Amino acid sequence: KNQVEQSPQSLIILEGKNCTLQCNYTVSPFSNLRWYKQDTGRGPVSLTIMTFSENTKSNGRYTATLDADTKQSSLHITASQLSDSASYICVVSDSMDSSYKLIFGSGTRLLVRP
Amino acid sequence: NAGVTQTPKFRVLKTGQSMTLLCAQDMNHEYMYWYRQDPGMGLRLIHYSVGEGTTAKGEVPDGYNVSRLKKQNFLLGLESAAPSQTSVYFCASTRGVLGYEQYFGPGTRLTVT
Repeated sequence: KNQVEQSPQSLIILEGKNCTLQCNYTVSPFSNLRWYKQDTGRGPVSLTIMTFSENTKSNGRYTATLDADTKQSSLHITASQLSDSASYICVVSDSMDSSYKLIFGSGTRLLVRP
Repeated sequence: NAGVTQTPKFRVLKTGQSMTLLCAQDMNHEYMYWYRQDPGMGLRLIHYSVGEGTTAKGEVPDGYNVSRLKKQNFLLGLESAAPSQTSVYFCASTRGVLGYEQYFGPGTRLTVT
């Protein structure tokens, strides 16, 4: 069964610190992996999209890495800000589904404290 | 350019009542999706559409129906609401397959008592 597992479930860090969120997936065949940010009460917003040939992708202070061999991804947040408090969702798409369906992880809830 | 909008934002239903959730996008996207989000779980696909006049079942379609009469609109219907359908519903749209970004609406919080 295609699955996406994220860790930790929740994380609290101090403003200005860095953190790394993890994502493991069993989706096969793999097409692409995305990271979304979801603020409380809002819809998810895309941060990065990576195909199997990409190892790293950055979006400002967010850097995603992908190891397609071990089926692992991480999202690194540098110099955290209070506005980074949100849920971060790892999403994987397989390459066999032409309807473009996505498989979502349950997310990591990040709280940045002053 | 409003992106993806959803109506209503909140709704409370009694068991057995019916309602329709409206999703509208102004980006001329072919693909549209309805998801539900429950605590501790990832978003799950209810139904989707790959173009005007087409619909298909997703992972959790039971108890829901959909229609895509116009390209910009995707409607989700609950014929006889049940407490198990208490959830936050998100609509999303995308231009194409494989690598295109999905844009999400702000969500509809539905409570069934």
